[in-house]
Amino acid sequence: GDSVTQMEGPVTLSEEAFLTINCTYTATGYPSLFWYVQYPGEGLQLLLKATKADDKGSNKGFEATYRKETTSFHLEKGSVQVSDSAVYFCAPTGGGNKLTFGTGTQLKVEL
Amino acid sequence: SQTIHQWPATLVQPVGSPLSLECTVEGTSNPNLYWYRQAAGRGLQLLFYSVGIGQISSEVPQNLSASRPQDRQFILSSKKLLLSDSGFYLCAWSVRYGYLDFDTEAFFGQGTRLTVV
Repeated sequence: GDSVTQMEGPVTLSEEAFLTINCTYTATGYPSLFWYVQYPGEGLQLLLKATKADDKGSNKGFEATYRKETTSFHLEKGSVQVSDSAVYFCAPTGGGNKLTFGTGTQLKVEL
Repeated sequence: SQTIHQWPATLVQPVGSPLSLECTVEGTSNPNLYWYRQAAGRGLQLLFYSVGIGQISSEVPQNLSASRPQDRQFILSSKKLLLSDSGFYLCAWSVRYGYLDFDTEAFFGQGTRLTVV
């Protein structure tokens, strides 16, 4: 079945620092890849996605590139803000009727 | 547009009491439906998923059950709650598409914070 390995948190950064959250996956078929964000006390919401190899998903200054050769989908942002503090989940979706999420990486951005 | 409703938002229940959490989806047909639990400071644990009415798959043996009485309704239940059932419960839906048979993105409800005392 599908599985995800996501870097452990919490990750604590100063505002305007560069962010990388690593994600590698195993999946059957031709998965789409997603990053979700969860703000405190809320459900998850889609941050960005990529549906095929070499695609780059981007949203709100975050980017991730679908790397089939390394089965990775690392999340990056050039300059984080305090408002980016949240938990980030990586999720491949392949065949198999269920959505698999990474363990989540908590990001704390300080002034 | 599609929306998902999950209630209640918070719930405090005594040990041994029953549980019923409800989730409904609007604006789509035949969605895949999911229940997840998130313990404090931890990731998402898939509890149940359903690909159609009356079709429930359980991921983890536990004190909970799920039912799907209608296409867009998903219910999480327990006959007798345990302290360990406390957590943040999330309902989600996705739509399957394509001949390769994989999901679109998932859409989540706002979650239910359950505290068993």
